[in-house]
Amino acid sequence: SAVISQKPSRDICQRGTSLTIQCQVDSQVTMMFWYRQQPGQSLTLIATANQGSEATYESGFVIDKFPISRPNLTFSTLTVSNMSPEDSSIYLCSVEDRQTYGYTFGSGTRLTVV
Amino acid sequence: KQEVTQIPAALSVPEGENLVLNCSFTDSAIYNLQWFRQDPGKGLTSLLLIQSSQREQTSGRLNASLDKSSGRSTLYIAASQPGDSATYLCAVTNNAGNMLTFGGGTRLMVKP
Repeated sequence: SAVISQKPSRDICQRGTSLTIQCQVDSQVTMMFWYRQQPGQSLTLIATANQGSEATYESGFVIDKFPISRPNLTFSTLTVSNMSPEDSSIYLCSVEDRQTYGYTFGSGTRLTVV
Repeated sequence: KQEVTQIPAALSVPEGENLVLNCSFTDSAIYNLQWFRQDPGKGLTSLLLIQSSQREQTSGRLNASLDKSSGRSTLYIAASQPGDSATYLCAVTNNAGNMLTFGGGTRLMVKP
């Protein structure tokens, strides 16, 4: 199955700053998914990133706050912009495994905004 | 809109017990269902994947069943161990290449 390298694994950031999270996949994938997991909550989809087109955002998430890049079929970044303490969460990327049709996740980025 | 519910939200058992975690979903037209394990502050590890045409999958001490018509899945853990302590998440997708919809998770504690 696909292997995803996600970094950073954790960070503590000042409010008002931005953090860019990277995910590198060891195989080419059409879509990459970005999720947020707020403390004590389950996962919520932020957006779906296709190579060569703009990401599709879920209700409640906007491009200005969470810009996404997808320059090729193995890489994507998510930026959390103008951060506030409410953005403190675990952020995860995911891809569909074309062999199993299951989903593989990166190891997550634990973000704390102070 | 698909909704996924997991019961119980938390469970504490002594080591060695067999246990069952429950997952229900509102739209039975799923493509597949996947069970994940999450350790505190970490990413998700896939445990079992059940495609819509399947009724169960097994891996070691884990067995997951799927009843599409009733919108339910169970994860059975045999002979639980302290190392099984984690949050278990159930998720479904309604089509290949689509997003996963997650349940709220069951937080499991296995006491030595």
